[in-house]
Amino acid sequence: RKEVEQDPGPFNVPEGATVAFNCTYSNSASQSFFWYRQDCRKEPKLLMSVYSSGNEDGRFTAQLNRASQYISLLIRDSKLSDSATYLCAIYSGTYKYIFGTGTRLKVLA
Amino acid sequence: GAVVSQHPSWVICKSGTSVKIECRSLDFQATTMFWYRQFPKQSLMLMATSNEGSKATYEQGVEKDKFLINHASLTLSTLTVTSAHPEDSSFYICSAREEGGAYEQYFGPGTRLTVT
Repeated sequence: RKEVEQDPGPFNVPEGATVAFNCTYSNSASQSFFWYRQDCRKEPKLLMSVYSSGNEDGRFTAQLNRASQYISLLIRDSKLSDSATYLCAIYSGTYKYIFGTGTRLKVLA
Repeated sequence: GAVVSQHPSWVICKSGTSVKIECRSLDFQATTMFWYRQFPKQSLMLMATSNEGSKATYEQGVEKDKFLINHASLTLSTLTVTSAHPEDSSFYICSAREEGGAYEQYFGPGTRLTVT
């Protein structure tokens, strides 16, 4: 089993839709969790950290489910500019981050 | 927010030559920097973890003699691709974790290497 798994997509959604991605991880000792956004041929940019209590930033909500070992990202009212690849990253306290393969999102007009 | 720069942003070189890529944390100190490689439509692959003042830790399958890493200061790490070959053509991205900060890491803009 991979350490971090994501559905590669693509998820094609109309503008205004709500879309959610999950990312599962295998190491129960994982400490910190992040969502990054990567545009084509660009570097990943930190979107948000994922806290145990869940966190929200505008249209974006991230949640952590330790029991089932996954994190989620919810995007409400999708915009065309949200089209990108969304990467989850897990930090397990060994100075190493494990990235998922990313989920491609296409928001359609 | 934390800013990481990378230089050059793209480079084309001939097979057999060496290429040095610089990664700098501009507004924070980074004890640890990371070097990744990404092939088209694939995920980030961690190559090595660069620690200031000590040897880098390489991931399995990454040749340390081919990919030389030097982390000479708290704001600079370099990756040198030695004797580059066409199969080394890739997008190389560095990231840095702020000293004493939370566990977020911040990425440089990447270097696109093409070996002809």
